[in-house]
Amino acid sequence: DGGITQSPKYLFRKEGQNVTLSCEQNLNHDAMYWYRQDPGQGLRLIYYSQIVNDFQKGDIAEGYSVSREKKESFPLTVTSAQKNPTAFYLCASALAGSTDTQYFGPGTRLTVL
Amino acid sequence: KQEVTQIPAALSVPEGENLVLNCSFTDSAIYNLQWFRQDPGKGLTSLLLIQSSQREQTSGRLNASLDKSSGRSTLYIAASQPGDSATYLCAVRGGYNTNAGKSTFGDGTTLTVKP
Repeated sequence: DGGITQSPKYLFRKEGQNVTLSCEQNLNHDAMYWYRQDPGQGLRLIYYSQIVNDFQKGDIAEGYSVSREKKESFPLTVTSAQKNPTAFYLCASALAGSTDTQYFGPGTRLTVL
Repeated sequence: KQEVTQIPAALSVPEGENLVLNCSFTDSAIYNLQWFRQDPGKGLTSLLLIQSSQREQTSGRLNASLDKSSGRSTLYIAASQPGDSATYLCAVRGGYNTNAGKSTFGDGTTLTVKP
């Protein structure tokens, strides 16, 4: 089955810890995205990558980091510098360019204890 | 900076009713507009994608229109069913001084269809 997988589904973090959220796609898409969603709100862009070994900050990149070493993988690290990390995190991918449909993974819910 | 607004925030209708969801955006220099459906605790499912050169797209009981000059899109759902209950989000790609790779999302409209 082609698609986007995110793991884990639920993640708990103690204050001061870094955690990494996984996003993998087998759709052969060039572009990948990370979004954050807070209750009752839309999605806000954290980081995006349009090609391997390159990525750009979105609107709320502070306290987050990413890497894009492989086309199919785009992991997101939530660092201790992110003051309010409890949220629902969604990964997406698109074939390429600005005209293509974005496809979303099932999401990871991160809770800070 | 591109801003996207969806009205109403919530909508409750009886089964069988036709309904319209609204999406407005501030910058008309967009590449496309996409409508998504989100069920509670789940990811987003793409419903319709309208390119900037198009006026509308249809899929089954869904019809989405785009008026770039006025910064508006509507999602029309015909003969609503309880299974249509979900949150509907619109997202625009691009805008003035906005990278083409970026999408801006509205906060969504939560639809409840009562049997």
